[in-house]
Amino acid sequence: ETGVTQTPRHLVMGMTNKKSLKCEQHLGHNAMYWYKQSAKKPLELMFVYSLEERVENNSVPSRFSPECPNSSHLFLHLHTLQPEDSALYLCASSQEGTGGYEQYFGPGTRLTVT
Amino acid sequence: AQTVTQSQPEMSVQEAETVTLSCTYDTSENNYYLFWYKQPPSRQMILVIRQEAYKQQNATENRFSVNFQKAAKSFSLKISDSQLGDTAMYFCAFMKHNNDMRFGAGTRLTVKP
Repeated sequence: ETGVTQTPRHLVMGMTNKKSLKCEQHLGHNAMYWYKQSAKKPLELMFVYSLEERVENNSVPSRFSPECPNSSHLFLHLHTLQPEDSALYLCASSQEGTGGYEQYFGPGTRLTVT
Repeated sequence: AQTVTQSQPEMSVQEAETVTLSCTYDTSENNYYLFWYKQPPSRQMILVIRQEAYKQQNATENRFSVNFQKAAKSFSLKISDSQLGDTAMYFCAFMKHNNDMRFGAGTRLTVKP
């Protein structure tokens, strides 16, 4: 266990549904991330939150909406997704300012859009 | 933009043998961090080893070591005495100081008994 949890672990949703992914970190970190992992492609950084403020948004479609209510929790709200959005969504956290910068990953949510 | 290239999509090694995974990156920065992450089948991605670019000494962690060649922008991972539990996807990653971590496409390593 890395100290980062994600729920649900698996999600199947239709293109008209609205769902949310949840991430929680128990490491006292001050930065959190969402990544998309598709088969045979590098991990794609989607969003970065530092001290609960969004600092990175890598041209992600608006059908993905992040929320960071506090430093321990991160959500990814999903609506009107497309089949090509099916992927493993990974959450990660890190501690800024102390060097190292390694990120700790959650187990991921396997999302299937039908 | 920084890019990370892992030229070996798949590799295999016999148990107890040594294997080296390749990684190259492209950057104009002088200070940065490099990482190797391991993602076992259906399990969480975990950090294997990291290297600060300003350090000339290669990082080591037990059976894992790196060969960091800054001028060549190369960062290979050597796994000694391979174990069945080393079977996983291995990702090389590059990061400047601003939390923007870039990953390679990964190398699938299979350790054979």
